Amino acid sequence: QVQLQESGPGLVKPSETLSLTCTVSGGPISDYYWGWIRQSPGEGLELIGYIYYTGTTNYNPSLKSRVIMLVDMSKNQFSVRLTYVTAADTAEYYCARRKAYSTAFDIWGQGTMVTVSS
Amino acid sequence: SYVLTQPPSVSVAPGQTATITCGGNNIGTKTIHWYQQRPGQAPVLVVYDDSDRPSGIPERFSASNSGNRATLTISRVEAGDEADYYCHVWDRSGDQVFGGGTKLTVL
Repeated sequence: QVQLQESGPGLVKPSETLSLTCTVSGGPISDYYWGWIRQSPGEGLELIGYIYYTGTTNYNPSLKSRVIMLVDMSKNQFSVRLTYVTAADTAEYYCARRKAYSTAFDIWGQGTMVTVSS
Repeated sequence: SYVLTQPPSVSVAPGQTATITCGGNNIGTKTIHWYQQRPGQAPVLVVYDDSDRPSGIPERFSASNSGNRATLTISRVEAGDEADYYCHVWDRSGDQVFGGGTKLTVL
């Protein structure tokens, strides 16, 4: 079955760029939308945005000026970059697949914790 | 931006029915999904497109959506249902938002 795995640094300095990659295994990256969702400690879920396998993106308006998402079909991966991070960006970051013909996220990665600190 | 309101907590005894609400302006006109998140784990989709269940989700989980409120109902609650539950809305303008989450406690 399809599985997602996030990877990237667990510690990022303030004002630097957070970069995470999600590797999709067990199925193709094509024909689906792929999303990034984060969860600050003790808080709820926040959608960062999502990307179609063709590269079309839709970002959360509150993060739009700092977010870039990319797809690499050759590696079956997609990624997110968040620039100029602050302590407020400290969170568990999840990648997820949007279910076909729906807007629900039906498959999630296990998540990766990113701390912003000097 | 669109706001979803969930009660912070709901408590229910084993075997009883838990009702978790998600309020929003004309939410009945939007498509809603529900996720279960156990402590230390990633969210799991339990209901999508207002009332459909993914394969593997028990029939005890059901949902409805109309007016200004959507509802997730868990029948015959078990200890393993104890978790945080989040509603998630998408509307045709492209806005996607999660509710603040409801902690379900099984007494």
